[in-house]
Amino acid sequence: DAGITQSPRHKVTETGTPVTLRCHQTENHRYMYWYRQDPGHGLRLIHYSYGVKDTDKGEVSDGYSVSRSKTEDFLLTLESATSSQTSVYFCAISPSGGTDTQYFGPGTRLTVL
Amino acid sequence: KQEVTQIPAALSVPEGENLVLNCSFTDSAIYNLQWFRQDPGKGLTSLLLIQSSQREQTSGRLNASLDKSSGRSTLYIAASQPGDSATYLCAVEIDAGNNRKLIWGLGTSLAVNP
Repeated sequence: DAGITQSPRHKVTETGTPVTLRCHQTENHRYMYWYRQDPGHGLRLIHYSYGVKDTDKGEVSDGYSVSRSKTEDFLLTLESATSSQTSVYFCAISPSGGTDTQYFGPGTRLTVL
Repeated sequence: KQEVTQIPAALSVPEGENLVLNCSFTDSAIYNLQWFRQDPGKGLTSLLLIQSSQREQTSGRLNASLDKSSGRSTLYIAASQPGDSATYLCAVEIDAGNNRKLIWGLGTSLAVNP
């Protein structure tokens, strides 16, 4: 299995509080992704990174920001959490942006009350 | 707009049966199609990746086919086992301007009964 960890694995927070999720990889892959998975919507891309300090928006980026200061770490921040951001968040990594598959972390279940 | 549909949404079969999961997509302009497996409470595991120029890929008891012109892919599982119980997700990789992105189906939830 690809070396990807996510922390925390579970979090309950209140509306309006900031939340940061961490993805850590030991594979030295260039690309990192943040997805959310919700019933009836499948997986949706939030943000991705194609190198240190190089990030771009996905299809559901509103309310989220990311940072990548090191190859191995990709942080997802909810500046002011809302109940609509209750979801399961997955991090994925890939050696390249295409032709290679993506390797997924175990997920973080976030509940915003 | 690319859309990916998986049918059926759920499937229950007895152990040992051969089965087929279906995936369809609306736009044939894809780079590849991928099949993933997701176990409850866990992340996704890549099973097979078929490049747009390929017709099929095989891994053990799994065989995936791709018909780009008709917008269809099938995942064939031979001699199913209880350990195959999971949700199977299909995704197509498409052009997204200066990068590529995956468009996902909602998955087929498979239960293989002993």
